[in-house]
Amino acid sequence: AQSVAQPEDQVNVAEGNPLTVKCTYSVSGNPYLFWYVQYPNRGLQFLLKYITGDNLVKGSYGFEAEFNKSQTSFHLKKPSALVSDSALYFCAVTAPGAGSYQLTFGKGTKLSVIP
Amino acid sequence: KAGVTQTPRYLIKTRGQQVTLSCSPISGHRSVSWYQQTPGQGLQFLFEYFSETQRNKGNFPGRFSGRQFSNSRSEMNVSTLELGDSALYLCASSLEGLAGTTKFSGANVLTFGAGSRLTVL
Repeated sequence: AQSVAQPEDQVNVAEGNPLTVKCTYSVSGNPYLFWYVQYPNRGLQFLLKYITGDNLVKGSYGFEAEFNKSQTSFHLKKPSALVSDSALYFCAVTAPGAGSYQLTFGKGTKLSVIP
Repeated sequence: KAGVTQTPRYLIKTRGQQVTLSCSPISGHRSVSWYQQTPGQGLQFLFEYFSETQRNKGNFPGRFSGRQFSNSRSEMNVSTLELGDSALYLCASSLEGLAGTTKFSGANVLTFGAGSRLTVL
């Protein structure tokens, strides 16, 4: 079975400061990892993905994430937070090579950027 | 390029009724997946359709069903509604699904619609 843990329900950060949203995963086989963001009353928007290749992936709106196989982590980062980054962030994993064709999501982390 | 369109956006039903939700994927996308989002359980996978065939199914009772048409539009149906079925139902489309091998930046990416919020009274 595959699973995702987002250990923080909420992260507060001051505008202009760096932000990190944590994610660890468990999966059989090689993981495909994703970050999505959800604004109130909206669907999920894709931010970035790791499939293979460089461990550091860059995505939309200045976000990046680092795949760490030994720590089974895929933390989301941004060097300088904006108030408009305030939203609900979801980490997700799948492993098609192991026969999984569905995304398993974490519980989500609410990010609040304080002006 | 139009995004994923879900209808209706909001609906209210009573226990025992049934409901049908519709999803129109991005043009050219052949895979449609459905997810249920609730405050308690988070996002849970319901099923995936690819070229009119159900390819994957999550752990939901048989009251939850779906289908996909030849134009890739999909519907999901929930029969004998229960209070616990109140949720945001999200549809997502992609070219080939999560296992897609297409070598472009959008491969393996699900594009979600805004959702259909179902309230069961």
